[in-house]
Amino acid sequence: GEDVEQSLFLSVREGDSSVINCTYTDSSSTYLYWYKQEPGAGLQLLTYIFSNMDMKQDQRLTVLLNKKDKHLSLRIADTQTGDSAIYFCAESRNDYKLSFGAGTTVTVRA
Amino acid sequence: DTGVSQDPRHKITKRGQNVTFRCDPISEHNRLYWYRQTLGQGPEFLTYFQNEAQLEKSRLLSDRFSAERPKGSFSTLEIQRTEQGDSAMYLCASSGGLAGRHEQYFGPGTRLTVT
Repeated sequence: GEDVEQSLFLSVREGDSSVINCTYTDSSSTYLYWYKQEPGAGLQLLTYIFSNMDMKQDQRLTVLLNKKDKHLSLRIADTQTGDSAIYFCAESRNDYKLSFGAGTTVTVRA
Repeated sequence: DTGVSQDPRHKITKRGQNVTFRCDPISEHNRLYWYRQTLGQGPEFLTYFQNEAQLEKSRLLSDRFSAERPKGSFSTLEIQRTEQGDSAMYLCASSGGLAGRHEQYFGPGTRLTVT
């Protein structure tokens, strides 16, 4: 959606860290999400962060939120071939509608 | 917990025909959502239900689209007089229960192709 922007592509070497960036426009966003989509499949919820937090870590995933700059990032440590997918950033300003970016295609090369 | 399921997974139809899709949410979830995703884009919100009540509809949901959740469990999305522009992946999601309403879990989607 036009309210959420992401870079379209990221190529990363296996074992390195990946960082996927997202910017959003609505300062009233309350929750920010990262979803993963593999070819032909639905979306898998990876993690989300409440807007009053600035960091959340979950195993290999680290989410950083800079509310002042309206910038969200997802860091994947020790990237594996199974991490190749499209990653969507989404924001929610109410408690039902998610607004998604266009997705970042992550390609993991050996 | 079998997750959100959708049926059919693929549907090919001729322009002008009616189609109906079904979504079965995670059993304890009281909220159910429909989204549409076109190639190269993120999903776009269409509508959502809390139990059997349809509480919000996007302007994307034209008069040809109707969604129901008659008993607060499964939901159907019908498209009448399909057009080529309706070709997309239709995604269903649900939330609620112990995970809370903020975690939306998606099904595998129904891919519609209108020829």
